[in-house]
Amino acid sequence: DVKVTQSSRYLVKRTGEKVFLECVQDMDHENMFWYRQDPGLGLRLIYFSYDVKMKEKGDIPEGYSVSREKKERFSLILESASTNQTSMYLCASSSEDRGDVRETQYFGPGTRLLVL
Amino acid sequence: QKEVEQDPGPLSVPEGAIVSLNCTYSNSAFQYFMWYRQYSRKGPELLMYTYSSGNKEDGRFTAQVDKSSKYISLFIRDSQPSDSATYLCAMKANSGYALNFGKGTSLLVTP
Repeated sequence: DVKVTQSSRYLVKRTGEKVFLECVQDMDHENMFWYRQDPGLGLRLIYFSYDVKMKEKGDIPEGYSVSREKKERFSLILESASTNQTSMYLCASSSEDRGDVRETQYFGPGTRLLVL
Repeated sequence: QKEVEQDPGPLSVPEGAIVSLNCTYSNSAFQYFMWYRQYSRKGPELLMYTYSSGNKEDGRFTAQVDKSSKYISLFIRDSQPSDSATYLCAMKANSGYALNFGKGTSLLVTP
């Protein structure tokens, strides 16, 4: 059973704080993703990583950075949190095997971040 | 035009009804089609996965893909109150890493 865990379920931070969100997967997946989900906007891809130390920008990378030092761990960093970054943050992972169900993305439980 | 369109609902049905959820898409390169279920304040969980065209059945759930019409469907038979959730369609081409998601349809099954 694929398991994706996220470090926090709920976080409250102040404007200007540096925020770290961590994601760990236990299925040896090559790919990992960070999304944010907002009402009426759906899921939007922030960054993804297809290998250790590799990263690619998604649709909305501004104000965010990521780090992948180990295969199982992918961190999302808000360098200076702002109120418009209040959102639900979802991490996902997937395998490289083409045409296989493992290529689909498996999601963590999400982190609800409130920036005051 | 967004690549994946999905009616947000909400859709409200009585328990036992057959539910039909749909998405349309514009990119003919999409080959992988998925349905995710998301309960309130939880992460999406994979419900159905289909590669290319055709139907797939799993218990009360049936996923259909019509590539000629660029249209995918999820049918839920004998719907239960526990099926109340948001259903997200997602799809992907052979190349690339990212999934293209619909915005989700909110379903409420009333006892």
